[in-house]
Amino acid sequence: QKEVEQDPGPLSVPEGAIVSLNCTYSNSAFQYFMWYRQYSRKGPELLMYTYSSGNKEDGRFTAQVDKSSKYISLFIRDSQPSDSATYLCAMSVDFGNEKLTFGTGTRLTIIP
Amino acid sequence: EPEVTQTPSHQVTQMGQEVILRCVPISNHLYFYWYRQILGQKVEFLVSFYNNEISEKSEIFDDQFSVERPDGSNFTLKIRSTKLEDSAMYFCASTPDPTNNEQFFGPGTRLTVL
Repeated sequence: QKEVEQDPGPLSVPEGAIVSLNCTYSNSAFQYFMWYRQYSRKGPELLMYTYSSGNKEDGRFTAQVDKSSKYISLFIRDSQPSDSATYLCAMSVDFGNEKLTFGTGTRLTIIP
Repeated sequence: EPEVTQTPSHQVTQMGQEVILRCVPISNHLYFYWYRQILGQKVEFLVSFYNNEISEKSEIFDDQFSVERPDGSNFTLKIRSTKLEDSAMYFCASTPDPTNNEQFFGPGTRLTVL
C-alpha cells in the first residue's frame, strides 16, 4: 500500500463549480497536512496548511482532515479557470526539520 | 514577497558528468530541503539540511549526491557522476519556523542527462 494515495485525474469541471480533491494515507503518525498547487513545469506553491484533524478555510479554499479515516480533502468554491493546475497533497509526521511525503497530484481543469 | 530562487532553470549534461544545482532560500529561513520530481511522477524527498548538517536523507540520496551551504545565502546540490535516471525536476525548499512545517518551494531546475 502506498503511503499517500491521490487520484491523478484528470478532473474537469465547469467554471463556478465546487471542486473536491482528496487524499488517503496509511501512516497514522502523519500530523501535518498541506495542499500545494503546481502549474505546469513550475514549483509547488503552498495553498493550505493544517495540523491534526479539523477544517481550515482561506477564501475560496477549505481544507479538511479526518485522521480517524486517514483522509484529507481540499474544496475549492466558485472555481475559476486560473485554478486549473495540479493539486498535490503533502504530509509530515513532525514539524521543524521534517520531510514531506507527497501524493501523486490531481490534474484539475476548470472549463470557462 | 520573498521567494526561493534556483539556477539554472534548465541544465543539460552528459552521463557521467558532475552537475551543481544552486538555490537561494528565503533569507530568514533555517531549514533547507531538496526534492526531485521525475516527469509524470510524484515529488520525492531527497535530503534535509539544518545548521550546516544533513538532518535526514532518503534512499535516493546515495554517495553520488552531496549538499552544501557554501555561504550565508546559497544552498547547493551536487551530483558527482550523473546517470540517465537522474533526469528530473529538482526543487529546493525552505522552512522559516521550527514550530511548523510550511515548506516553500523554488521554481525548480530541470536536469536532462543525455
